[in-house]
Amino acid sequence: TQLLEQSPQFLSIQEGENLTVYCNSSSVFSSLQWYRQEPGEGPVLLVTVVTGGEVKKLKRLTFQFGDARKDSSLHITAAQPGDTGLYLCAGARPTGTASKLTFGTGTRLQVTL
Amino acid sequence: GAGVSQSPSNKVTEKGKDVELRCDPISGHTALYWYRQRLGQGLEFLIYFQGNSAPDKSGLPSDRFSAERTGESVSTLTIQRTQQEDSAVYLCASSPGTSGGGLDTQYFGPGTRLTVL
Repeated sequence: TQLLEQSPQFLSIQEGENLTVYCNSSSVFSSLQWYRQEPGEGPVLLVTVVTGGEVKKLKRLTFQFGDARKDSSLHITAAQPGDTGLYLCAGARPTGTASKLTFGTGTRLQVTL
Repeated sequence: GAGVSQSPSNKVTEKGKDVELRCDPISGHTALYWYRQRLGQGLEFLIYFQGNSAPDKSGLPSDRFSAERTGESVSTLTIQRTQQEDSAVYLCASSPGTSGGGLDTQYFGPGTRLTVL
Protein backbone atom coordinates (compact mmCIF):
# COMPACT_ATOMS: atom_id res chain seq x y z
CA THR A 1 0.00 0.00 0.00
CA GLN A 2 1.40 3.35 -1.02
CA LEU A 3 0.92 5.87 1.75
CA LEU A 4 1.05 9.62 1.65
CA GLU A 5 2.08 11.10 4.96
CA GLN A 6 1.11 14.66 5.72
CA SER A 7 2.61 16.90 8.37
CA PRO A 8 1.66 18.46 10.58
CA GLN A 9 -1.59 16.65 11.42
CA PHE A 10 -3.01 19.69 13.19
CA LEU A 11 -2.16 23.35 12.96
CA SER A 12 -3.72 26.21 14.87
CA ILE A 13 -2.49 29.66 13.93
CA GLN A 14 -3.57 33.27 14.11
CA GLU A 15 -4.75 35.34 11.19
CA GLY A 16 -1.85 36.80 9.23
CA GLU A 17 0.64 34.03 9.96
CA ASN A 18 2.30 31.92 7.28
CA LEU A 19 2.31 28.13 7.24
CA THR A 20 3.54 25.17 5.24
CA VAL A 21 1.99 21.71 4.97
CA TYR A 22 4.05 18.79 3.71
CA CYS A 23 3.02 15.67 1.82
CA ASN A 24 5.57 12.86 1.51
CA SER A 25 5.58 9.46 -0.15
CA SER A 26 8.01 6.74 -1.09
CA SER A 27 6.16 6.29 -4.40
CA VAL A 28 6.18 8.28 -7.63
CA PHE A 29 2.86 9.61 -8.87
CA SER A 30 1.78 10.89 -12.28
CA SER A 31 0.41 13.98 -10.61
CA LEU A 32 -0.36 15.24 -7.16
CA GLN A 33 -3.53 17.02 -6.17
CA TRP A 34 -4.41 19.18 -3.18
CA TYR A 35 -7.94 19.37 -1.81
CA ARG A 36 -9.63 21.34 0.94
CA GLN A 37 -12.56 19.86 2.81
CA GLU A 38 -14.96 21.72 5.07
CA PRO A 39 -17.21 20.03 7.66
CA GLY A 40 -20.15 18.19 6.14
CA GLU A 41 -18.88 18.54 2.61
CA GLY A 42 -16.78 16.56 0.17
CA PRO A 43 -13.22 17.59 -0.71
CA VAL A 44 -12.83 20.31 -3.33
CA LEU A 45 -9.86 20.30 -5.69
CA LEU A 46 -7.49 23.25 -5.26
CA VAL A 47 -4.71 22.39 -7.69
CA THR A 48 -3.03 19.62 -9.69
CA VAL A 49 0.76 19.58 -10.13
CA VAL A 50 2.25 17.34 -12.77
CA THR A 51 5.88 18.15 -13.50
CA GLY A 52 8.73 17.54 -11.06
CA GLY A 53 9.79 20.87 -9.56
CA GLU A 54 6.58 22.57 -10.66
CA VAL A 55 5.32 25.51 -8.63
CA LYS A 56 1.75 26.77 -8.87
CA LYS A 57 0.23 29.77 -7.15
CA LEU A 58 -3.41 30.27 -6.30
CA LYS A 59 -3.78 33.70 -4.68
CA ARG A 60 -2.12 33.28 -1.25
CA LEU A 61 -1.52 29.54 -1.73
CA THR A 62 1.70 28.21 -3.28
CA PHE A 63 1.99 24.56 -4.25
CA GLN A 64 5.21 22.79 -5.11
CA PHE A 65 5.84 19.31 -6.54
CA GLY A 66 9.15 17.72 -5.60
CA ASP A 67 11.74 17.08 -8.31
CA ALA A 68 11.30 13.31 -7.94
CA ARG A 69 7.48 13.61 -7.97
CA LYS A 70 7.19 11.89 -4.61
CA ASP A 71 6.49 14.83 -2.34
CA SER A 72 4.74 18.16 -2.34
CA SER A 73 4.19 21.19 -0.16
CA LEU A 74 1.46 23.75 0.31
CA HIS A 75 2.42 27.18 1.63
CA ILE A 76 -0.20 29.69 2.75
CA THR A 77 0.80 33.31 3.15
CA ALA A 78 -1.06 35.58 5.57
CA ALA A 79 -3.63 32.97 6.57
CA GLN A 80 -7.24 34.02 7.01
CA PRO A 81 -10.11 32.41 8.97
CA GLY A 82 -11.61 31.35 5.64
CA ASP A 83 -8.59 29.08 5.11
CA THR A 84 -9.77 26.89 8.00
CA GLY A 85 -10.41 23.30 6.93
CA LEU A 86 -8.93 19.88 6.29
CA TYR A 87 -6.21 19.91 3.63
CA LEU A 88 -5.65 16.67 1.77
CA CYS A 89 -3.00 15.75 -0.74
CA ALA A 90 -3.66 12.92 -3.17
CA GLY A 91 -1.32 11.10 -5.52
CA ALA A 92 -2.81 10.19 -8.88
CA ARG A 93 -2.07 7.16 -11.00
CA PRO A 94 -3.72 6.91 -14.41
CA THR A 95 -6.11 4.05 -14.89
CA GLY A 96 -7.56 3.98 -18.37
CA THR A 97 -8.54 7.57 -19.08
CA ALA A 98 -9.37 8.29 -15.42
CA SER A 99 -7.19 8.47 -12.32
CA LYS A 100 -7.00 6.45 -9.14
CA LEU A 101 -6.16 8.61 -6.14
CA THR A 102 -4.27 7.71 -2.98
CA PHE A 103 -5.07 10.26 -0.30
CA GLY A 104 -2.81 11.57 2.41
CA THR A 105 -3.57 11.47 6.10
CA GLY A 106 -4.77 15.09 6.12
CA THR A 107 -3.80 18.32 7.88
CA ARG A 108 -6.45 20.09 9.90
CA LEU A 109 -5.89 23.85 9.87
CA GLN A 110 -7.58 26.31 12.16
CA VAL A 111 -7.04 30.03 11.68
CA THR A 112 -8.28 32.27 14.45
CA LEU A 113 -8.73 36.03 14.61
CA GLY B 1 -28.46 19.40 -10.11
CA ALA B 2 -24.98 20.14 -11.39
CA GLY B 3 -23.00 18.30 -8.72
CA VAL B 4 -22.65 14.82 -7.29
CA SER B 5 -25.49 13.99 -4.91
CA GLN B 6 -25.64 11.31 -2.25
CA SER B 7 -28.45 9.92 -0.15
CA PRO B 8 -29.21 9.62 2.63
CA SER B 9 -27.08 12.36 4.18
CA ASN B 10 -27.18 10.56 7.52
CA LYS B 11 -27.91 6.94 8.37
CA VAL B 12 -28.10 5.42 11.82
CA THR B 13 -28.43 1.67 11.97
CA GLU B 14 -28.08 -1.18 14.41
CA LYS B 15 -25.20 -3.60 14.34
CA GLY B 16 -25.98 -6.52 12.05
CA LYS B 17 -28.38 -4.67 9.75
CA ASP B 18 -27.75 -4.09 6.03
CA VAL B 19 -27.51 -0.57 4.62
CA GLU B 20 -27.61 0.81 1.10
CA LEU B 21 -26.05 4.12 0.15
CA ARG B 22 -26.81 5.91 -3.10
CA CYS B 23 -24.73 8.13 -5.37
CA ASP B 24 -25.92 10.19 -8.36
CA PRO B 25 -22.87 11.29 -10.36
CA ILE B 26 -22.54 14.29 -12.63
CA SER B 27 -24.28 13.57 -15.93
CA GLY B 28 -21.83 12.40 -18.58
CA HIS B 29 -19.11 11.35 -16.17
CA THR B 30 -17.91 7.87 -17.03
CA ALA B 31 -15.89 7.24 -13.87
CA LEU B 32 -17.35 6.83 -10.38
CA TYR B 33 -15.51 6.22 -7.11
CA TRP B 34 -16.45 5.33 -3.54
CA TYR B 35 -14.30 6.30 -0.57
CA ARG B 36 -14.56 5.90 3.19
CA GLN B 37 -13.45 8.63 5.57
CA ARG B 38 -13.11 7.95 9.27
CA LEU B 39 -13.44 10.89 11.64
CA GLY B 40 -10.83 13.57 10.92
CA GLN B 41 -8.82 11.35 8.61
CA GLY B 42 -7.98 11.08 4.93
CA LEU B 43 -10.00 9.18 2.36
CA GLU B 44 -9.70 5.43 1.91
CA PHE B 45 -10.40 4.14 -1.61
CA LEU B 46 -13.09 1.46 -1.80
CA ILE B 47 -14.15 0.82 -5.41
CA TYR B 48 -14.01 2.41 -8.86
CA PHE B 49 -16.21 2.08 -11.95
CA GLN B 50 -15.40 3.29 -15.45
CA GLY B 51 -17.70 2.76 -18.37
CA ASN B 52 -18.24 -0.89 -19.19
CA SER B 53 -14.95 -2.05 -17.69
CA ALA B 54 -14.91 -4.44 -14.76
CA PRO B 55 -14.92 -2.41 -11.51
CA ASP B 56 -11.74 -2.10 -9.47
CA LYS B 57 -12.78 -3.57 -6.12
CA SER B 58 -9.30 -3.64 -4.62
CA GLY B 59 -10.19 -1.28 -1.76
CA LEU B 60 -13.23 -3.08 -0.38
CA PRO B 61 -12.33 -4.04 3.22
CA SER B 62 -14.38 -7.24 3.39
CA ASP B 63 -16.94 -9.30 1.49
CA ARG B 64 -19.66 -7.51 3.45
CA PHE B 65 -19.08 -4.54 1.15
CA SER B 66 -20.34 -4.48 -2.43
CA ALA B 67 -21.28 -1.86 -4.99
CA GLU B 68 -23.14 -1.69 -8.25
CA ARG B 69 -23.47 0.88 -10.97
CA THR B 70 -26.20 1.06 -13.58
CA GLY B 71 -24.59 2.04 -16.89
CA GLU B 72 -22.97 5.44 -16.39
CA SER B 73 -25.46 6.67 -13.83
CA VAL B 74 -26.51 5.83 -10.29
CA SER B 75 -24.37 3.70 -8.01
CA THR B 76 -25.26 1.98 -4.77
CA LEU B 77 -22.86 0.86 -2.05
CA THR B 78 -24.21 -1.94 0.13
CA ILE B 79 -22.82 -2.94 3.50
CA GLN B 80 -24.20 -6.19 4.86
CA ARG B 81 -24.27 -7.14 8.55
CA THR B 82 -22.91 -3.77 9.60
CA GLN B 83 -20.34 -3.55 12.36
CA GLN B 84 -19.44 -0.61 14.60
CA GLU B 85 -16.12 -0.18 12.79
CA ASP B 86 -18.10 0.58 9.61
CA SER B 87 -19.13 3.92 11.14
CA ALA B 88 -17.66 6.62 8.88
CA VAL B 89 -18.54 9.08 6.15
CA TYR B 90 -18.89 7.39 2.78
CA LEU B 91 -18.00 9.71 -0.10
CA CYS B 92 -18.76 9.27 -3.75
CA ALA B 93 -16.94 11.07 -6.57
CA SER B 94 -17.30 11.14 -10.33
CA SER B 95 -14.95 12.26 -13.06
CA PRO B 96 -15.23 12.78 -16.81
CA GLY B 97 -12.80 9.94 -17.50
CA THR B 98 -11.45 11.76 -20.54
CA SER B 99 -8.07 13.03 -19.33
CA GLY B 100 -5.14 10.70 -19.22
CA GLY B 101 -1.89 10.98 -17.29
CA GLY B 102 -3.43 11.47 -13.87
CA LEU B 103 -5.16 14.73 -14.83
CA ASP B 104 -8.75 13.54 -14.53
CA THR B 105 -10.53 15.68 -11.92
CA GLN B 106 -12.78 14.01 -9.38
CA TYR B 107 -15.82 15.87 -8.09
CA PHE B 108 -17.08 14.79 -4.70
CA GLY B 109 -20.52 14.53 -3.21
CA PRO B 110 -21.25 15.67 0.36
CA GLY B 111 -21.10 12.13 1.72
CA THR B 112 -23.33 9.88 3.78
CA ARG B 113 -22.53 9.77 7.50
CA LEU B 114 -23.11 6.20 8.68
CA THR B 115 -23.40 5.45 12.39
CA VAL B 116 -23.63 1.84 13.51
CA LEU B 117 -24.89 1.47 17.06
